[in-house]
Amino acid sequence: GAGVSQSPRYKVAKRGQDVALRCDPISGHVSLFWYQQALGQGPEFLTYFQNEAQLDKSGLPSDRFFAERPEGSVSTLKIQRTQQEDSAVYLCASSAGGTSVNQYFGPGTRLTVT
Amino acid sequence: AQKITQTQPGMFVQEKEAVTLDCTYDTSDQSYGLFWYKQPSSGEMIFLIYQGSYDEQNATEGRYSLNFQKARKSANLVISASQLGDSAMYFCAMRETFLYQGGKLIFGQGTELSVKP
Repeated sequence: GAGVSQSPRYKVAKRGQDVALRCDPISGHVSLFWYQQALGQGPEFLTYFQNEAQLDKSGLPSDRFFAERPEGSVSTLKIQRTQQEDSAVYLCASSAGGTSVNQYFGPGTRLTVT
Repeated sequence: AQKITQTQPGMFVQEKEAVTLDCTYDTSDQSYGLFWYKQPSSGEMIFLIYQGSYDEQNATEGRYSLNFQKARKSANLVISASQLGDSAMYFCAMRETFLYQGGKLIFGQGTELSVKP
């Protein structure tokens, strides 16, 4: 496909379980971002990759959150020992980098922790 | 710290009329970018329009225009000739200075627009 894809689209986890959220960026896009969007709020930055390098992880809320992009394409956001406050939509975005300014967003993964 | 403020939680507009969604921002940087995104109920973020801080003319994209007033630090979105499909959440966002390629976005709280037939 031409756009950013994310899977799963919906995930229900019991508190304490680990989850892994996948993002497939647009082919060739250098930059990849993860955002967290709580209900009724704007998205908040989590982390940023340039190719396989994680250049900014300042937005990760705790050490339970971990992201990787080992080959510079697909990225995985992992949340360990999920808590109820982790319930949110997790958005992935990619950008061509360089002079390109726009970020193209995926449909998001809605995580519900029960 | 950089911040985006959207003071209108919800707005109503009659179909075919124009509507302005407010956005103010705070930054000490000289170089930045401002964005508007649309988020329908399906959840995806759809890019609408971009304005660079050094752009002298207001950005336009079809029915969307950005009223950029740098001195007032405002970047309002104007939608002309509203359509029923415009009903959605609208987010104003700012891109930090170009510390690295890409640049993370800082979003406002959003404005929910409802278009009445």
